[in-house]
Amino acid sequence: KQEVTQIPAALSVPEGENLVLNCSFTDSAIYNLQWFRQDPGKGLTSLLLIQSSQREQTSGRLNASLDKSSGRSTLYIAASQPGDSATYLCAVRRSNDYKLSFGAGTTVTVRA
Amino acid sequence: NAGVTQTPKFRILKIGQSMTLQCTQDMNHNYMYWYRQDPGMGLKLIYYSVGAGITDKGEVPNGYNVSRSTTEDFPLRLELAAPSQTSVYFCASSYQSGGAQYFGPGTRLTVL
Repeated sequence: KQEVTQIPAALSVPEGENLVLNCSFTDSAIYNLQWFRQDPGKGLTSLLLIQSSQREQTSGRLNASLDKSSGRSTLYIAASQPGDSATYLCAVRRSNDYKLSFGAGTTVTVRA
Repeated sequence: NAGVTQTPKFRILKIGQSMTLQCTQDMNHNYMYWYRQDPGMGLKLIYYSVGAGITDKGEVPNGYNVSRSTTEDFPLRLELAAPSQTSVYFCASSYQSGGAQYFGPGTRLTVL
C-alpha cells in the first residue's frame, strides 16, 4: 500500500522567503506525482505533474523535483507572496493503479 | 470551458436519507473520479470510471454507488446516509489514465 507523508503539517514564513515543501512516499514504483494547491473551502488546483521518468518540472516561481529511488519530492516556491498562502497537497499514482494516493497536505501562511 | 462542476455545494442530510451528488465535465475527458476528504486527511478514492458505461471501486466504496451513462456526467449516489459519510466530496477528471487530474469545487455534506 502506498503511504504518502507531508511534513511539516503547517508552515509560516515572511513574504519574500523561499518555500520548501516536502513529500515522501513508500512505494517507489510510481507512474507520476502531482502537486496541488487547495484554498480554504475550495477544490484542488493542479500545479505541477512530474512523470516517473522526469527529475523536475518548473512553472513560473514553482519548481518540483522527484527522486524516485529515495521516495521523495520537493516543491520549491521562490520569493513567496501572501497570495501563496494555501494548503499544498502531493499525490502519487502507482504504475498499476488508477487512483492517486494523497498526503494530508502542508498548510502555508505567508506573512506580509 | 467550465471544467468540472459539482452540485450542490452544501447539503445536510438526516441519517437514512439518500441523495445524489452531481458531477459534470466539459473537457471530453474519459476518466472520472470521486474522492472524499476528511479533516486533516488526504483524499481517498471512492469510485472511478474509465469511460461511459464502465465504473470500478476505489478504496472506500461502501455506502456509495455510481453510474456513467455519458462521457460528461458521473453522479455519486448515497443510499441510507450515515454520520460517517460526513465529508467533503470532490469529483475529478483526466484526459488520459496517467494524466493530470482536474478537480471540481467540492460538495460539503453533513449527515446528522
